[in-house]
Amino acid sequence: DQQVKQNSPSLSVQEGRISILNCDYTNSMFDYFLWYKKYPAEGPTFLISISSIKDKNEDGRFTVFLNKSAKHLSLHIVPSQPGDSAVYFCAARRGFSGNTGKLIFGQGTTLQVKP
Amino acid sequence: EAGVAQSPRYKIIEKRQSVAFWCNPISGHATLYWYQQILGQGPKLLIQFQNNGVVDDSQLPKDRFSAERLKGVDSTLKIQPAKLEDSAVYLCASSWGREGEKLFFGSGTQLSVL
Repeated sequence: DQQVKQNSPSLSVQEGRISILNCDYTNSMFDYFLWYKKYPAEGPTFLISISSIKDKNEDGRFTVFLNKSAKHLSLHIVPSQPGDSAVYFCAARRGFSGNTGKLIFGQGTTLQVKP
Repeated sequence: EAGVAQSPRYKIIEKRQSVAFWCNPISGHATLYWYQQILGQGPKLLIQFQNNGVVDDSQLPKDRFSAERLKGVDSTLKIQPAKLEDSAVYLCASSWGREGEKLFFGSGTQLSVL
């Protein structure tokens, strides 16, 4: 049962344009969401997160939007840069109360930013 | 601040052999995780430790996988005997163990079972 889904395996955008990566989830108990970026031969690194009590969180060029009614979140990168080319994972957590707080990851989306 | 250390980086074994991976988390991090990432999939949690106690091992194939975290610091993950489907990257991650915080990942061990 895939509770976190990233339906687009890959995305290609031109440098300077906007990249939009999407993520859907099925478990309404998730209350915290994170995006991780992964370069080849490296471990995932934290990018940005959002709590379920918010609908938007910004950090520089990165913005995450959360639509709880649609169980959907998206990551916007503006402007996109060639160094952003990586695999992006969406992850969700149910919180620590009564739960281990483990992260459940989507399958990942490979972003390629062309110069 | 030193990151999460893992070794070895790569391991090639034949099926039915045994293998062990080692992880040293960020100093002071109480929570340690082992994830399995199969090619084309997202990381899947195998086991979570809080200090030296197991918090969640519900997805650990206990007939062949084992893990320990002695003294609540570094950890080892063992597979015995390995199967072809165990070919994956094994990622170790750690965190302070507080609510809502992010995990820090190591570079992983890429295992190929032939």
